[in-house]
Amino acid sequence: GDSVTQMEGPVTLSEEAFLTINCTYTATGYPSLFWYVQYPGEGLQLLLKATKADDKGSNKGFEATYRKETTSFHLEKGSVQVSDSAVYFCALSEGLFSGGYNKLIFGAGTRLAVHP
Amino acid sequence: NAGVTQTPKFRVLKTGQSMTLLCAQDMNHEYMYWYRQDPGMGLRLIHYSVGEGTTAKGEVPDGYNVSRLKKQNFLLGLESAAPSQTSVYFCASSYSGDQMNTEAFFGQGTRLTVV
Repeated sequence: GDSVTQMEGPVTLSEEAFLTINCTYTATGYPSLFWYVQYPGEGLQLLLKATKADDKGSNKGFEATYRKETTSFHLEKGSVQVSDSAVYFCALSEGLFSGGYNKLIFGAGTRLAVHP
Repeated sequence: NAGVTQTPKFRVLKTGQSMTLLCAQDMNHEYMYWYRQDPGMGLRLIHYSVGEGTTAKGEVPDGYNVSRLKKQNFLLGLESAAPSQTSVYFCASSYSGDQMNTEAFFGQGTRLTVV
C-alpha cells in the first residue's frame, strides 16, 4: 500500500543554517504531496503542496519539489529561524476511495529545533 | 477565527473508563476526521464522516465509536479505555473529500493517557 517515509529527528540547527528534511513515498499512481507543520501547542497546518511531477511547492521560505523519478519530496529552507522550530509531516493523497474521499497518508513526523 | 477546536487537551483515564472527545469546526465543512498519532508512526485515521449524520471506519477503528449529530461537531468515544489507546488524537475537517486538492484543517490535539 501507499506509504511515506521521513528522516528521523530530532534535527537540531543553529539559526540561519540550511535545512533539509528528507521524505520519500510509495504510491501506485500519481499522488499529491504535502508538507504539514505543527508548531508547539497548535494543530497541524498545511505548509506547501505539489500535485504533479516536477511541481515545486513553496511557502514561508520553504520549498519542496515533487520528484517522480526518485519518489521524493524533500523539504528545504535556505536559512532557518528560531520560529521554524516545529514538527514537520510529509503526506500524500491519491485516488478516490469507495468511501467518497481520498485519504491522507502521513509520515512519522520530524521534529526541528532551531537555536539562536 | 476558531477553526477546529478539540476538547479536552489532556486527559488521564484508568483502564476500563469511558470518555468522549469533542471536535468542533466553524468552517461549515462537510468532511471531518479523527486520527491518532503514536511515536514513530504517522497519523492514522480512526473514523471519518462525509456529512451530518454519517460516519465510516478508517484504518484503526477498533475500540472507538463516533457520532456526527450536528454538522459542526464530531465526537469520538472510548467505551472501555485500554492502555493501547494512549495516544495523541487529532481531529480534522475539510470542505470536500478530494484531499488531493483540498486542504485539511486540524485541531490542536488531545493527549490521552490510559493507566
